[in-house]
Amino acid sequence: DAGVIQSPRHEVTEMGQEVTLRCKPISGHNSLFWYRQTMMRGLELLIYFNNNVPIDDSGMPEDRFSAKMPNASFSTLKIQPSEPRDSAVYFCASSFREPRETQYFGPGTRLLVL
Amino acid sequence: DAKTTQPTSMDCAEGRAANLPCNHSTISGNEYVYWYRQIHSQGPQYIIHGLKNNETNEMASLIITEDRKSSTLILPHATLRDTAVYYCIVRVNGNAGKSTFGDGTTLTVKP
Repeated sequence: DAGVIQSPRHEVTEMGQEVTLRCKPISGHNSLFWYRQTMMRGLELLIYFNNNVPIDDSGMPEDRFSAKMPNASFSTLKIQPSEPRDSAVYFCASSFREPRETQYFGPGTRLLVL
Repeated sequence: DAKTTQPTSMDCAEGRAANLPCNHSTISGNEYVYWYRQIHSQGPQYIIHGLKNNETNEMASLIITEDRKSSTLILPHATLRDTAVYYCIVRVNGNAGKSTFGDGTTLTVKP
């Protein structure tokens, strides 16, 4: 298996633009997680899905952030409009829910909002 | 989920065993101890996990105290490539969305 795939790997955009991050989980995994990592706040969970259904989005910073999982093999995290403080590394992870919930992380998307 | 406490940083000589401690004094009976690591600029990587018995795999060993209030991750022969941030997390299976990674321990393996 190729592991969790994220695209793009790097994104540079200007404030106010829409940004869409993409994630393909490991085939067969039924849980998917979006994390954000910054030096100041560390690794934060933004939202997670189970069987394509959002379970908890309490970590989503504000209404500018939205996430979807239209099917078991694809998820998006969208920021609209983007702001400089959104600059971070965004990780997607997937796992089985049972019998053990070992998360496998993608390589991350490095986002810079100017 | 129980909170964990880890030292901020540790050094280890290459080829020696690295012993990374984690305190989780409020762990409950159905919470597992998970260890992940994050090598610079990469996504976190699963290492090992356990409930109450000691565990060993190709990467590391996990020693959990009898009262389960603390654990130690052991890298038996540390290499320079083991330099990373190591995270100890405790959580119930099926509850990964409720646990946090914390600040972890920065392990530096020196030649």
